[in-house]
Amino acid sequence: DTEVTQTPKHLVMGMTNKKSLKCEQHMGHRAMYWYKQKAKKPPELMFVYSYEKLSINESVPSRFSPECPNSSLLNLHLHALQPEDSALYLCASSQRWGQGAREQYFGPGTRLTVT
Amino acid sequence: GNSVTQMEGPVTLSEEAFLTINCTYTATGYPSLFWYVQYPGEGLQLLLKATKADDKGSNKGFEATYRKETTSFHLEKGSVQVSDSAVYFCALYSGGGADGLTFGKGTHLIIQP
Repeated sequence: DTEVTQTPKHLVMGMTNKKSLKCEQHMGHRAMYWYKQKAKKPPELMFVYSYEKLSINESVPSRFSPECPNSSLLNLHLHALQPEDSALYLCASSQRWGQGAREQYFGPGTRLTVT
Repeated sequence: GNSVTQMEGPVTLSEEAFLTINCTYTATGYPSLFWYVQYPGEGLQLLLKATKADDKGSNKGFEATYRKETTSFHLEKGSVQVSDSAVYFCALYSGGGADGLTFGKGTHLIIQP
């Protein structure tokens, strides 16, 4: 099973709202990622968690706050977003150690619209 | 740093035509190479991969060969179908740990009946 699930599928929020995106995988992967994808562009890396610890933060504004409660779950907390933050938010996971291609498996994404 | 260059398109072909999408890369060390496909309104799906020189990845009739001498990983399919219409991303991974992928800009493929 190579499934990564994300909820919600769609989210509309105002600039003063607080919301959270959720991601889950049960492949035993120990690295999880958040990407942001604008229309007609490739995904841009936001955060990387390795063994539930934040290992990469690609200079993302503080209005995005990631959380990794356990090895299967990844959250992205949103607060005071701007309209330009509207995008598809993708979660991905991969094996952390050992030999291998380090391929990442992506979820279906959350389509976020900020009004 | 790492980079991936691919034709952006859109690439428009007729059904049953031969497909080639070019991808070249720059990377430190010996990267692993991937093709991902994204159908409208969906996330990215891993299409195929190759981990070392001369490896050929294949899946669903698509193939790509890791060419170290030309730093290329071109995607090919002998006979495309309308259902192959999507955006295709070439990507590489060269980190030693839990790092992100480096993506090309994506190629929008349109197959006409």
